[in-house]
Amino acid sequence: AQSVTQLGSHVSVSEGALVLLRCNYSSSVPPYLFWYVQYPNQGLQLLLKYTTGATLVKGINGFEAEFKKSETSFHLTKPSAHMSDAAEYFCAVTPSWGGNQFYFGTGTSLTVIP
Amino acid sequence: EPEVTQTPSHQVTQMGQEVILRCVPISNHLYFYWYRQILGQKVEFLVSFYNNEISEKSEIFDDQFSVERPDGSNFTLKIRSTKLEDSAMYFCASTAGVAGAATDTQYFGPGTRLTVL
Repeated sequence: AQSVTQLGSHVSVSEGALVLLRCNYSSSVPPYLFWYVQYPNQGLQLLLKYTTGATLVKGINGFEAEFKKSETSFHLTKPSAHMSDAAEYFCAVTPSWGGNQFYFGTGTSLTVIP
Repeated sequence: EPEVTQTPSHQVTQMGQEVILRCVPISNHLYFYWYRQILGQKVEFLVSFYNNEISEKSEIFDDQFSVERPDGSNFTLKIRSTKLEDSAMYFCASTAGVAGAATDTQYFGPGTRLTVL
């Protein structure tokens, strides 16, 4: 069975500081991995995803994530936080061998302090 | 930019009542999904729908739930007899291609907050 763990339900960073949001998955076969962002009163928006190929993937708004198979991780980073990055971030996986069932983490709320 | 819309934004109902949550996916999309998020918990997959039939469903999607595409634009989730534990945010999503959400980008609606009293 697939599962996703996001460490830290709330993360606060200062504006301009590094953003690091953690995601670990549990699966015997590496799944496809996704990060979504949700702004207040809006739907989830895809930030980036890893399916195959280069393990460092770049997404929108300056975010990137690196798939590390040995660590079963897919942590999200951004070198310099901006006030507009304040939102809820969700890591998700779906089986790479087929199917459309997505498994989400519980989410991390990012606060950016001016 | 095209977007997925959901109505209503908030629905309050009495336990045992039927509710229908409505979604308008992006017009040329082929795959549709419902998810729910109970307050403070994970976003959970409910069901995917393609070619006018259910493609996959989770164990949450029991006989109390049904989905329908009644016309060319709407995609609905019906809960036949609501329970207190059905209170959650319900998200609709759609993808453009037949490959599904693993390959194609899922576009999510803003959600409907269902409160069962």
